[in-house]
Amino acid sequence: DIVMTQSPDSLALSLGERATINCKSSRSVLYSPNKKNYLSWYQQKPGQPPRLLIYWASTRESGVPDRFTGSGSGTDFTLTISSLQAEDVAVYYCQQYYSTPTFGQGTRLEIK
Amino acid sequence: QITLKESGPPLVEPTQTLTLTCTFSGFSLSTYEVGVGWIRQPPGKALEWLAAIYWDDEKRYSPSLKSRLTITKDTSKNQVVFTMTNMDLVDTATYYCAHGDTTRGMAVWGQGTTVTVSS
Repeated sequence: DIVMTQSPDSLALSLGERATINCKSSRSVLYSPNKKNYLSWYQQKPGQPPRLLIYWASTRESGVPDRFTGSGSGTDFTLTISSLQAEDVAVYYCQQYYSTPTFGQGTRLEIK
Repeated sequence: QITLKESGPPLVEPTQTLTLTCTFSGFSLSTYEVGVGWIRQPPGKALEWLAAIYWDDEKRYSPSLKSRLTITKDTSKNQVVFTMTNMDLVDTATYYCAHGDTTRGMAVWGQGTTVTVSS
């Protein structure tokens, strides 16, 4: 299994601040033939299913606001929310789909 | 528009087998690189990927649960059936099915179905 580890476990920020969530994989999820990182980010609000935000580590899913940005390659990845909005309160998960998929443990984002 | 809906029993007794059905629309499971996966989430805990089946009938399972899981598809009915044997209290969770592809991972999710294991 590829183990995904997120940091921090929780984060409390003020509206308008930048949020940074990190995700580290135990092995590289970069597929050399196409140079794509098989890493996605999901947002889950209370009582709702997860929503895909980012795939291939940095490609925004259709309809996702541009304040959400994914970056990184190989084993280290970051989800950045440039200016925190009230509706961004949620738990965020990274997932690798390079091999049998696995999720990180989640990062809870709250408003301070 | 892609939609998925999970169905199955809300309550299962320990040692029983859980059978869940994912009924979907808006895509075909015979389309290249398309798959349907199952993921669960115990109350207050993280997501756990369980299994997936793909357009070419390839099946993948979580290594830690592989001996208990089976996934099949009925392309003509637009359904995927998931079974988990020997259910235990720790298997209490919301079970989701999701549409996936090799580009985006799991792009569209069902609303989930809650399964409680209790005697």
